Amino acid sequence: DIQMTQSPSSLSASVGDRVTMTCRASQSISSYLNWYQQKPGKAPNLLIYTASSLQSGVPSRFSGSGSGTDFTLTISSLQPEDFATYYCQQSYSNPREWTFGQGTKVEIK
Amino acid sequence: EVQLVESGGGLVQPGGSLRLSCAASGFTFSSYTMNWVRQAPGKGLECISYISSSSSTIYYADSVKGRFTISRDNAKNSLYLQMNSLRVEDTAVYYCARLSGSTAEGYYGMDVWGQGTTVTVSS
Repeated sequence: DIQMTQSPSSLSASVGDRVTMTCRASQSISSYLNWYQQKPGKAPNLLIYTASSLQSGVPSRFSGSGSGTDFTLTISSLQPEDFATYYCQQSYSNPREWTFGQGTKVEIK
Repeated sequence: EVQLVESGGGLVQPGGSLRLSCAASGFTFSSYTMNWVRQAPGKGLECISYISSSSSTIYYADSVKGRFTISRDNAKNSLYLQMNSLRVEDTAVYYCARLSGSTAEGYYGMDVWGQGTTVTVSS
């Protein structure tokens, strides 16, 4: 199975900060990497698909990059509603083996 | 409004069974591949089952294979998950989610999610 490792596991930041988090795959997944935001008690929300494509309705302050094994999610100017946990997910392999990273929790500094 | 609404969760004893349902509205359900994703308390996300639009292709994660059965009724715009031989470790919030698309090489993300239904397996 393809393992997904996110870093850091948590970070503290202030409103207006530029925030970057990473996701590393244990083998190449081309560009089939998705990013989700999840707030407590809510379902995940798709932000970025295929590494860098912004999902419809998602603010442009969110961006994704990378290919192969190393990927990055960037929030250009952190807003109060962005405090949440972010998960990456690979969708390159057979669906029975899709995997998520363990999450990066973005907290208020 | 595009919407998925899960139901059927509850408290069940180990070894018991439950059937989850997911009602879709606001989009052409029969055109989309659907998935079940679960999240154990305080833990991350796990994709557990996949069903293509026509039900011709079905996958299960190893953790549920042989115990869970995914199905759909396109006439009723509904997705189901029959869960048998439940274990304590199956305790989780279960989400249904729509796959936004695919290519010959891979798949896009899951762009529509339900609110989740909670399954608790405990004696």
